[in-house]
Amino acid sequence: DIQMTQSPSSLSASVGDRVTITCQASQDISNYLNWYQQKPGKAPKLLIYDASNLETGVPSRFSGSGSGTYFTFTISSLQPEDIATYYCQQYDNFPRTFGPGTKVDIK
Amino acid sequence: QVQLQESGPGLVKPSETLSLTCTVSGGSVSSGGFYWSWIRQPPGKGLEWIGYIYYSGSTNYNPSLKSRVTISVDTSNNQFSLKLNSVTAADTAVYYCARGRSNHRYWGQGTLVTVSS
Repeated sequence: DIQMTQSPSSLSASVGDRVTITCQASQDISNYLNWYQQKPGKAPKLLIYDASNLETGVPSRFSGSGSGTYFTFTISSLQPEDIATYYCQQYDNFPRTFGPGTKVDIK
Repeated sequence: QVQLQESGPGLVKPSETLSLTCTVSGGSVSSGGFYWSWIRQPPGKGLEWIGYIYYSGSTNYNPSLKSRVTISVDTSNNQFSLKLNSVTAADTAVYYCARGRSNHRYWGQGTLVTVSS
């Protein structure tokens, strides 16, 4: 299985701050990476696919980059509604695997 | 707009079989070339991919669960289902159904299944 790691596991930032989360894969996954946002009690929501493509309807303050084994997810200006846990997920190989998540809250 | 809804017992006894159904509306399980997946999330923990099915019946399961899991599709009722046998407390989780085998754009709301006697 491809192991996915995320850093940090949690962070606290102020409204308007730039927030960056990293995701590393245990082997090369090209750009086959998704980013999801999950709010408490809700299903995950796809934000970014193919490592850097913004899903339709997702605000442009969200972005992703990277390829191979190292990926980043950025919120350019943190908003109160962005409080959530963010997960990366690889789809280069089966079984599909998710990172452990990064919990983002407001300072 | 595609919508998915999980249904099934919220409580299952240890060693028994967990059975869930996902009803799809706003689209057909047998059209569009889509795959249909199950994903679970233990309380307070991360996401685990269980497997997927194509309308033809082709499946792919997580090896960690493969010996206990069966996913099937019912095109006449526009549903697909999950069966997980010989459950233990470690199978307690919110179970989600979702469309796709790579990019999950549509999800059900999730259903909590507790394994307890």
